[in-house]
Amino acid sequence: DIVMTQSPDSLAVSLGERATINCKSSQSLLSRSNSKNYLAWYQHKPGQPPRLLIYWASTRESGVPDRFSGSGSGTDFTLTIASLQAEDVAAYYCQQYYSTPPYTFGQGTKLEIK
Amino acid sequence: QVQLVQSGAEVKKPGSPVKVSCKASGGTFNKYAMSWLRQAPGQGLEWLGGAIPIFGTVNYAPKFQGRLTITTDESTNTVFMELNSLRFEDTAIYYCARVRRSGDYENWIFGLWGPGTLVTVSS
Repeated sequence: DIVMTQSPDSLAVSLGERATINCKSSQSLLSRSNSKNYLAWYQHKPGQPPRLLIYWASTRESGVPDRFSGSGSGTDFTLTIASLQAEDVAAYYCQQYYSTPPYTFGQGTKLEIK
Repeated sequence: QVQLVQSGAEVKKPGSPVKVSCKASGGTFNKYAMSWLRQAPGQGLEWLGGAIPIFGTVNYAPKFQGRLTITTDESTNTVFMELNSLRFEDTAIYYCARVRRSGDYENWIFGLWGPGTLVTVSS
């Protein structure tokens, strides 16, 4: 199985400041055939189901504010929230969908307001 | 607009089975891959298994192979998850999720989620 490791486990950022969450995979998620990285990011608030933010490592899902961006390639990826808003308080998860199942998630990063 | 509607909370004893349903309301799912995931208290997200209704294929995470059964009923646009031999550590919120794009059976990007069903295993 591909192991996904996020850092940090928790993060406190001031409103309006940048938040950065990292995700590392145990093997490359970059496909040689289509040059795509098979990595998604989700936001998960208590009492709600997870919400897809980013897929193909950097493609924003429809309706997701443009302060959310994804970057990285191969084994190292980053989710950046450019200017933290109060409604961004949540847990964030990366997920790989590179190969045969199981499709694995990082352990999550809890984002709070400083 | 399609919504995934899940069955209600369950309380089960260790060793018993649980069956949770997920109905696509307002649309169909037969051309979408569907999955079941869970989140145990204080833990992260875990993929249990998935199905492609139009092909009748199912995949399970090795951890759940032999204990998990995913079935679909295209006549009612419903996917089911049955987990047998429940253990205390199976206490979790169970989510069904649909991939984001119709006809995409290779890229398991979960674009639509159900609200979750709490399954509590207690003696």
